[in-house]
This record gives sequence, C-alpha cells and structure tokens, in this order.
Amino acid sequence: DGGITQSPKYLFRKEGQNVTLSCEQNLNHDAMYWYRQDPGQGLRLIYYSQIVNDFQKGDIAEGYSVSREKKESFPLTVTSAQKNPTAFYLCASSTDREGMAFFGQGTRLTVV
Amino acid sequence: AQTVTQSQPEMSVQEAETVTLSCTYDTSENNYYLFWYKQPPSRQMILVIRQEAYKQQNATENRFSVNFQKAAKSFSLKISDSQLGDTAMYFCAFSHRDDKIIFGKGTRLHILP
Repeated sequence: DGGITQSPKYLFRKEGQNVTLSCEQNLNHDAMYWYRQDPGQGLRLIYYSQIVNDFQKGDIAEGYSVSREKKESFPLTVTSAQKNPTAFYLCASSTDREGMAFFGQGTRLTVV
Repeated sequence: AQTVTQSQPEMSVQEAETVTLSCTYDTSENNYYLFWYKQPPSRQMILVIRQEAYKQQNATENRFSVNFQKAAKSFSLKISDSQLGDTAMYFCAFSHRDDKIIFGKGTRLHILP
C-alpha cells in the first residue's frame, strides 16, 4: 500500500537533547513538508523540499534542521535551540500533478 | 506571497443542518489548487475536497460541496445534512505548481446532537 509513514507516534525527550522525527513515503512524490501544530492551532510550515538534496525554510525553521538525501525520506531534527519543542508534528508529501498533500499520522513530541 | 484566511475560528450547528465554512485567499497566480482538509480528534488529516482553479464548475463530494468564486478569491465549504462524525477542525489550503502548500488557521466545527 502506498502512503506516508511517520515514526514514532509518541516521543519523549529530555530538555537539551536533539531528537529526529522520521518521515518516509512510497508515493514517488517529489515534494515533502514538515508542519508543526500546537493545541487548537493551525499548521505552521517548518521546512519543505521539492527535490532531493534541496530544501527551503518555512515560517518557523529556527531550531529545526532537515535533510533530503533520498526521495522517499525527509527526517526532521528538533535541536536544543528550539525553545518550545513540545508539539504535534505532521509530515506531508505532494506531487505537482495533483497538488494536494498526503499526510502521515503525526508524531507527538513531548520534551520534559 | 500567497495567504489563506479562515475568518471563523469556531462554529456549532445542529445535526442534520447545513453549515458553510468560509475561506478567502490571496494570490497573483492564475492556475492553482484549493483544498479543504478535515482533522478529527484522531488528528489525522483527511482530504475532503479539491478544486482546480481553471475549472469553473464547483467540486462536490457527496454531502460536501464548495462555492468557488475565483474573482473574489473565495472558496467556501458547504456541508449538507451534517452528521456527528463531521465534528472536526477544517482547514482550507492553497497550492501552486512548484511551490509550498499554505494552510489557513482552521475552523473548529461542532455538530450538536
């Protein structure tokens, strides 16, 4: 089955530690995205990538980093520089032909 | 830069009623896509309906339909015969070829029994 997979679903980390969220898709989509969602809020774009080995900052990139070494994978690292990392993180992919985003199930990150 | 605005943070309607969610957007592009996504309590994002800007006919999907007014840059979602399972956050979104997908801040919809 084609789809987009985020792992893990829940993640707990101590303050000051870096943590990497996984996102894999087998839809052969060129574009991939990371969004952050705080309780009761909308989606804010962190980073996006439209092609392998290239990515652009979104609206709230500070404290985050990404890589796009393979078309299928777009991992997000939440660094210790991110002041309020506790949030729900959504990964998505899309293709120009269809335009719409396909989403993973999300990762709930809690930093204690 | 493109923007998407949803002016209704929260709405409540009785079951079986019809409800309309508003969305406006701003763009200088002529060809683009518009979407409505639903996010139920499970937080899974579900595509409700999709509209291509070059198509004048409004998209429909069962009880969901849109009123697409290109000149006014308006893209409202109508839910007919609302059901309890329609309770969710609804996001309007815009995308243009070779560019990022932009979301509005969402409308929280409550369907009351």
